[in-house]
Amino acid sequence: GENVGLHLPTLSVQEGDNSIINCAYSNSASDYFIWYKQESGKGPQFIIDIRSNMDKRQGQRVTVLLNKTVKHLSLQIAATQPGDSAVYFCAEKADYGGSQGNLIFGKGTKLSVKP
Amino acid sequence: DTEVTQTPKHLVMGMTNKKSLKCEQHMGHRAMYWYKQKAKKPPELMFVYSYEKLSINESVPSRFSPECPNSSLLNLHLHALQPEDSALYLCASSQDSQFQETQYFGPGTRLLVL
Repeated sequence: GENVGLHLPTLSVQEGDNSIINCAYSNSASDYFIWYKQESGKGPQFIIDIRSNMDKRQGQRVTVLLNKTVKHLSLQIAATQPGDSAVYFCAEKADYGGSQGNLIFGKGTKLSVKP
Repeated sequence: DTEVTQTPKHLVMGMTNKKSLKCEQHMGHRAMYWYKQKAKKPPELMFVYSYEKLSINESVPSRFSPECPNSSLLNLHLHALQPEDSALYLCASSQDSQFQETQYFGPGTRLLVL
């Protein structure tokens, strides 16, 4: 049935600590994954992506890990700052033998950084 | 430059009004998208334009009518909307819709239907 809950999963961390945001995906055909950050009143902002032929990719202060065996994706943010407070969405895209599927978003996790 | 612009930023309309949302990108992207986002929910895909042709319509009611005048512009025409259509409407673009291409989002138009 439809999820009528209006509460996003929330992660609360202390400024300076590392944050880990997790995402489970269900489509084993998904081969491209993106993490977006969405601040209040703004559109989603691209953070980092990873293709299925990789299991780890690093950016500036962020690392994405992909475990295809258990269909799990995570975003690690080092030295979390107050400006990192936002809702984080994972998104996946599948390759159906040359025909690309749509970008499918996860439910989102709200990250709150305590000063 | 990875900027997608959207106008207006906010829109209030009655159920009998006709209005349009506009989206523009100058990154040379050939795929453009409309998404609808309700509070505390992820974006939901509405339409995809690829090379200025509508390629995906996710069973969106006909009171929403997309238009792609050229490769840089995307409009969403609104007519006879319902209060439940109130949401944040997001435009996005990518190099191509057929490959693993990152979609870049605009800031959105916050729509309130009275």
